[in-house]
Amino acid sequence: DGGITQSPKYLFRKEGQNVTLSCEQNLNHDAMYWYRQDPGQGLRLIYYSQIVNDFQKGDIAEGYSVSREKKESFPLTVTSAQKNPTAFYLCASSSWTGRDEQFFGPGTRLTVL
Amino acid sequence: SQQGEEDPQALSIQEGENATMNCSYKTSINNLQWYRQNSGRGLVHLILIRSNEREKHSGRLRVTLDTSKKSSSLLITASRAADTASYFCATVPPVSQGGSEKLVFGKGTKLTVNP
Repeated sequence: DGGITQSPKYLFRKEGQNVTLSCEQNLNHDAMYWYRQDPGQGLRLIYYSQIVNDFQKGDIAEGYSVSREKKESFPLTVTSAQKNPTAFYLCASSSWTGRDEQFFGPGTRLTVL
Repeated sequence: SQQGEEDPQALSIQEGENATMNCSYKTSINNLQWYRQNSGRGLVHLILIRSNEREKHSGRLRVTLDTSKKSSSLLITASRAADTASYFCATVPPVSQGGSEKLVFGKGTKLTVNP
């Protein structure tokens, strides 16, 4: 089964802690993306990567970090510098460019306690 | 940076009726895409329409694009309770228009189809 997996589905964090959200795809896609979604809102781009070992900031990168050491994997770390991290996080991938259809994972809901 | 704006924000209809959602955007685009999101889930791509296309069909979905008005509409015919979801338009502003050639999503239309 081809697709994108995200884990965990739910994540709880204490203030001051860093947490890492996992995203894996087996679609052989070059490009991967992380989005944040707040209630009643659209998606906002955090980071994206078009190739292994390269990534760029999106619109709301402050307080987040990523790595792209493997084509299949694009983990997102929410650092303690992110002041309001409670949100729904979505990972996506596409075959190459940002113009293409994107395939989304099921999401991770992060709650800061 | 918000590019697309869906209208209405919420829509409630009866099963069997047609549902129409609109999307307006600000700059020229390479393409416009519609996505669906069930509550608490990831997005699913529905249809992509390029800037040189005016209409596209996929099953019960019909998408139109009017680049002169910078607007698109998504029509779902003969709606079903299972169509209940949020629907998002996403556009790709070209670099020449100050964009990053990445998808920019609107806030979505929440559709409820009552059985």
